[in-house]
Amino acid sequence: AQRVTQPEKLLSVFKGAPVELKCNYSYSGSPELFWYVQYSRQRLQLLLRHISRESIKGFTADLNKGETSFHLKKPFAQEEDSAMYYCALGVRIQGAQKLVFGQGTRLTINP
Amino acid sequence: DTGVSQDPRHKITKRGQNVTFRCDPISEHNRLYWYRQTLGQGPEFLTYFQNEAQLEKSRLLSDRFSAERPKGSFSTLEIQRTEQGDSAMYLCASSLWTSGGTDTQYFGPGTRLTVL
Repeated sequence: AQRVTQPEKLLSVFKGAPVELKCNYSYSGSPELFWYVQYSRQRLQLLLRHISRESIKGFTADLNKGETSFHLKKPFAQEEDSAMYYCALGVRIQGAQKLVFGQGTRLTINP
Repeated sequence: DTGVSQDPRHKITKRGQNVTFRCDPISEHNRLYWYRQTLGQGPEFLTYFQNEAQLEKSRLLSDRFSAERPKGSFSTLEIQRTEQGDSAMYLCASSLWTSGGTDTQYFGPGTRLTVL
């Protein structure tokens, strides 16, 4: 089965505090994981993908195949990080890739 | 705006009516995807086109749903005999596949369908 689980629907932290959004996946194939973000009144956009191993807006995520996790982390949260965050698993289809999304975590950064 | 566009942004219809949505991908993107998102859930894959060929359809796509991408440019998603359960946000995404490329999916703003 292909599944992505984000256990927290809501997460609230204070500005300057560390943030960790959890994501676990289930997939028998070779996983490719993504984090997408949706700011208020904006469209869904890619934040980062595990194969890039890059840091975007201070966020990082490490793929842990042993724990089947891809948690998103930021050491110091900023108010502009408030948004809806979706973890997604890329699943191979007919030479392309469909995205299987988790239900999302709404992150609120309090001043 | 050179991003993915969708039309209309909102559609309210009565149960049993047919509706059609349009998606214009980013210019020259050869792949186009449709997803559906219901309240409180993440997007769910519906179907995918490589140029004009529809190569994959989800089991979520009942026979009341049909999608086309004539000439490999814009795409339409039609829902016949709408039901209240069809109420959702319909998202379109496009990507450019090239050998060795990343094939990142770029999403449109979505069409919100409400079936009364």
